Amino acid sequence: DQQVKQNSPSLSVQEGRISILNCDYTNSMFDYFLWYKKYPAEGPTFLISISSIKDKNEDGRFTVFLNKSAKHLSLHIVPSQPGDSAVYFCAASWEGAQKLVFGQGTRLTINP
Amino acid sequence: GAVVSQHPSRVICKSGTSVKIECRSLDFQATTMFWYRQFPKQSLMLMATSNEGSKATYEQGVEKDKFLINHASLTLSTLTVTSAHPEDSSFYICSASPSGPPQYFGPGTRLTVL
Repeated sequence: DQQVKQNSPSLSVQEGRISILNCDYTNSMFDYFLWYKKYPAEGPTFLISISSIKDKNEDGRFTVFLNKSAKHLSLHIVPSQPGDSAVYFCAASWEGAQKLVFGQGTRLTINP
Repeated sequence: GAVVSQHPSRVICKSGTSVKIECRSLDFQATTMFWYRQFPKQSLMLMATSNEGSKATYEQGVEKDKFLINHASLTLSTLTVTSAHPEDSSFYICSASPSGPPQYFGPGTRLTVL
């Protein structure tokens, strides 16, 4: 039972354009969502998070949008840079729990 | 802040031997740490929750006698893969947090069992 789903295994975007990564979840108990970036053979790096009481959170080039009714969140990166090429994982958690449930990841490639 | 380290970064061992992986929180104390496993091109799968001073909590399907976890101090958790076999070859990653999310991850340990 995949509670957090990233349906796009890969995404290719031109440098300077917007990258949009999507994530869906099924468990309505989730109330905290995170995005991590991961390079091969390295641990994930925290990017940005959002609580379920918000629908948007912004940090520099990264913005996360949450649509609770659709159980959907997205990560926008603008403008996209070559260094953004990596695998992006969406993760979810719930109140009182520290552990995370991860999606399958989306490999983002930024083309010059 | 919130730096997590792992040691070793890479280990190769013979089948049947045991391997210990250390996870340390360098600039904060962590009563709870997490151990994940990642297969090639797959997601991170939570193996267990390591609790300082008490037994670890294992996820369903994870053999607790095979993957021994010890959380002896507020800055150190160890994962020991006992009697390792080739199917245990994987990328093992730990995480911790000063308080609640987000979790901060270590750099990972690549285990290869020959």
